[in-house]
Amino acid sequence: DVKVTQSSRYLVKRTGEKVFLECVQDMDHENMFWYRQDPGLGLRLIYFSYDVKMKEKGDIPEGYSVSREKKERFSLILESASTNQTSMYLCASSLEGQGFRGPEDEQYFGPGTRLTVT
Amino acid sequence: AQTVTQSQPEMSVQEAETVTLSCTYDTSESDYYLFWYKQPPSRQMILVIRQEAYKQQNATENRFSVNFQKAAKSFSLKISDSQLGDAAMYFCAYRSSFYQGAQKLVFGQGTRLTINP
Repeated sequence: DVKVTQSSRYLVKRTGEKVFLECVQDMDHENMFWYRQDPGLGLRLIYFSYDVKMKEKGDIPEGYSVSREKKERFSLILESASTNQTSMYLCASSLEGQGFRGPEDEQYFGPGTRLTVT
Repeated sequence: AQTVTQSQPEMSVQEAETVTLSCTYDTSESDYYLFWYKQPPSRQMILVIRQEAYKQQNATENRFSVNFQKAAKSFSLKISDSQLGDAAMYFCAYRSSFYQGAQKLVFGQGTRLTINP
C-alpha cells in the first residue's frame, strides 16, 4: 500500500514564525503536491513537484515556498506565518512523471496537518 | 481555467437508502478526467471512482456509480444501500488530460454526507 505521511497532525505557531510542514511518501512516486483545505472552498493547490528539485506554482502560492531535495520528501514552508494561513494542509503524491497522464495515476493523500497560527 | 462546483454543502440519508451528490464543472477542453474522493472524519482522503470524458459509459464501483452528462457538464455520484461507513466529506475533482501542470486536480467545495441509522 502507498503510504503518505505528514510530520504533524496538529501544529500551533505564532504569527511571524517560519513553519515547515513535511511530507514523505514511500512508493517512489514522481509527483508530489501540497493542498490547502478550507471549509466552503474545498482543496486548493499551493505547489507541486514533478521531480527532485523541480517545482511549479499552483493556484495559491503566495506566502508559501517548497523544497524537494529527495524524491520521497516534499516540504512546504511558510516563511512568515500569518493568521490567514490557519488551515488544514494536505500532501499528496502520484506515480508518473510528465510523460504519463492516464486516469489510473491517482493521487494518494496524507492524513493532513491542521495548522493554527495565533 | 477550469472550475468545479458542488452546490450541496450537506446531505443526509437514511441507512440502506440511496443518495445522489451533485457536481458540475466548467471547461473548454474536450478530453479530461473526473473523480470523486471521500474524506472520512479524521481519516485520509481516498479515491472513490473515476470517469474518463471520452467514455460514454458511466463508471461503477460496487455501490458507487456516477451519472456523467458531458454536454451538461454534470458529474453526480450515486451511493446505493448507504452504510454508516459512507459518512464523510465527498469531493468532486477535475483533471485535464493534457499537460497543464503534472496532473493538477481542481476540486469542488465538498459535500458533507451524514448517514442516519
